[in-house]
Amino acid sequence: ETGVTQTPRHLVMGMTNKKSLKCEQHLGHNAMYWYKQSAKKPLELMFVYSLEERVENNSVPSRFSPECPNSSHLFLHLHTLQPEDSALYLCASSQEVAGGHYGYTFGSGTRLTVV
Amino acid sequence: AQKITQTQPGMFVQEKEAVTLDCTYDTSDPSYGLFWYKQPSSGEMIFLIYQGSYDQQNATEGRYSLNFQKARKSANLVISASQLGDSAMYFCAMRELLSGGSYIPTFGRGTSLIVHP
Repeated sequence: ETGVTQTPRHLVMGMTNKKSLKCEQHLGHNAMYWYKQSAKKPLELMFVYSLEERVENNSVPSRFSPECPNSSHLFLHLHTLQPEDSALYLCASSQEVAGGHYGYTFGSGTRLTVV
Repeated sequence: AQKITQTQPGMFVQEKEAVTLDCTYDTSDPSYGLFWYKQPSSGEMIFLIYQGSYDQQNATEGRYSLNFQKARKSANLVISASQLGDSAMYFCAMRELLSGGSYIPTFGRGTSLIVHP
């Protein structure tokens, strides 16, 4: 399997549930990202991991908890979410090299609905 | 302050015509990169084209070209010979260096392009 794979594609959860989103990349990239895309708002960068170390946490509420166990996998653990957290959650990866860049590869996203 | 500005929320174009999607950016970093992505209704973000701040020539990828005007801080996407399948959201993005030494991409609000037959 190639590219960036996100599971599940769709998720409906109650406000008291705990769930996790999974992202897997088979591109050998060294950086991974979580984005939130809400209707009529720009893509919001949530977390950045470079070489498995979190380098950016963009003032995201603590009910979102990222985990990057290795360079190929990224998780977003969710607990006690609010209805306004309903959105498309996109994972991306990139290969950061000195003096060059080759684009960000995105997964197909997880459409999250909080009820 | 918004770093990537896409002033056209929606654009319409006739099939086979060319269309330009506007993007302006703001950065003080001399080394940056600019991207365009396409997002069809399926949700996946598809990479189209990249322009580095030091690149002398405008980037081109098939029917896509990037009109890079560094002094004006603009990076407009030109799609030639539009096709029905080009109907989608288009996002301009900029790659910036964080103080910690990592790069992050920041996206504009997007432009919805509809191609008419």
